[in-house]
Amino acid sequence: AQSVTQLDSQVPVFEEAPVELRCNYSSSVSVYLFWYVQYPNQGLQLLLKYLSGSTLVESINGFEAEFNKSQTSFHLRKPSVHISDTAEYFCAATRGAGNMLTFGGGTRLMVKP
Amino acid sequence: DVKVTQSSRYLVKRTGEKVFLECVQDMDHENMFWYRQDPGLGLRLIYFSYDVKMKEKGDIPEGYSVSREKKERFSLILESASTNQTSMYLCASSLAGIFTQYFGPGTRLTVL
Repeated sequence: AQSVTQLDSQVPVFEEAPVELRCNYSSSVSVYLFWYVQYPNQGLQLLLKYLSGSTLVESINGFEAEFNKSQTSFHLRKPSVHISDTAEYFCAATRGAGNMLTFGGGTRLMVKP
Repeated sequence: DVKVTQSSRYLVKRTGEKVFLECVQDMDHENMFWYRQDPGLGLRLIYFSYDVKMKEKGDIPEGYSVSREKKERFSLILESASTNQTSMYLCASSLAGIFTQYFGPGTRLTVL
């Protein structure tokens, strides 16, 4: 069965510092991968996704993630974070047939001034 | 923009009560999902529906049932609420064959 592991439950970082949120998945079959963001008291919003093609995908607000098939990883990075990036981030992967996703446990990014 | 709405943001119920959580989407999506979100556990799928009157169990269906009588509406039912069902419940929808899911704002349910 597909599983998604987010290695850090919390990541504190100072404003304007770089950050990496780690995600590993278990499937040996082709997968599609997603990062969602949840701002305080809101639902989840899609941040970026990898379906095919270039292994580096970018979001409109400066985040990027790289699909690494050999390491079964899809880490999320941003070179310089802002206070407004404070949120919980969820990695998700497709789980074979059907339209379902498996989500990781979430990483709380806390950006400090 | 896709809009997924949930009937309540906060709900407080007593043990043993029957609880209905409603979800409506306005983009004619075939697929609808119910998840519960708990700290450290991420989102866990309770039930999934791919068409009207069709449903599939997710990873944690025990204690829950669902109803989908109209394409735009997907209801989660707790037949007899228990304290261990205190959680955040999130509804999502997607087009058939498309994996990107769109989420509602969530309902924080407290069972006393």
